[in-house]
Amino acid sequence: DAGITQSPRHKVTETGTPVTLRCHQTENHRYMYWYRQDPGHGLRLIHYSYGVKDTDKGEVSDGYSVSRSKTEDFLLTLESATSSQTSVYFCAAGDRPPGYTFGSGTRLTVV
Amino acid sequence: GIQVEQSPPDLILQEGANSTLRCNFSDSVNNLQWFHQNPWGQLINLFYIPSGTKQNGRLSATTVATERYSLLYISSSQTTDSGVYFCAVEAGRLAFGKGNQVVVIP
Repeated sequence: DAGITQSPRHKVTETGTPVTLRCHQTENHRYMYWYRQDPGHGLRLIHYSYGVKDTDKGEVSDGYSVSRSKTEDFLLTLESATSSQTSVYFCAAGDRPPGYTFGSGTRLTVV
Repeated sequence: GIQVEQSPPDLILQEGANSTLRCNFSDSVNNLQWFHQNPWGQLINLFYIPSGTKQNGRLSATTVATERYSLLYISSSQTTDSGVYFCAVEAGRLAFGKGNQVVVIP
């Protein structure tokens, strides 16, 4: 969607390596979220941010860390990638209202 | 945390048919949105609807916050309506239901 860019769009990495995914927004939204989507599990919350340097854990945060040093950027880091972290990762940004918009997703494969 | 249940989980429609998708949630919420995930994986915002009724073309949505449910209506369905419909509610954080998988057959 317009205003939210995820990078990279696709990545293949090896087990044990660190990986950082980037979410960039241009709408000055306060809230940003990282989700993972796996078959049969819907969208599960990893971490979210409610302002610069303000972050909190979601339901599947183990093995992930985040940082938000600027309003526009929310980074998700897999500290030591495992095969169970192979997934599609989505970022969302928004406010209350008008609601949230999603990026196009990052397909991550850990081999 | 808040529980979000969507029904039915799977739905097959003949093109031109109407349908209703339901989202129940377990606690008071500040925000409710409906999203459509198309077959290419994109998540599209359909409605921001914490209460009341909204319409957008063949789609409409109603949220009754006091009774903790929301409905998404699809009228005169088309094959492009296929995909997964997600309800998301916000009570501190944004939580999703598991989705309604909709397949529209020509």
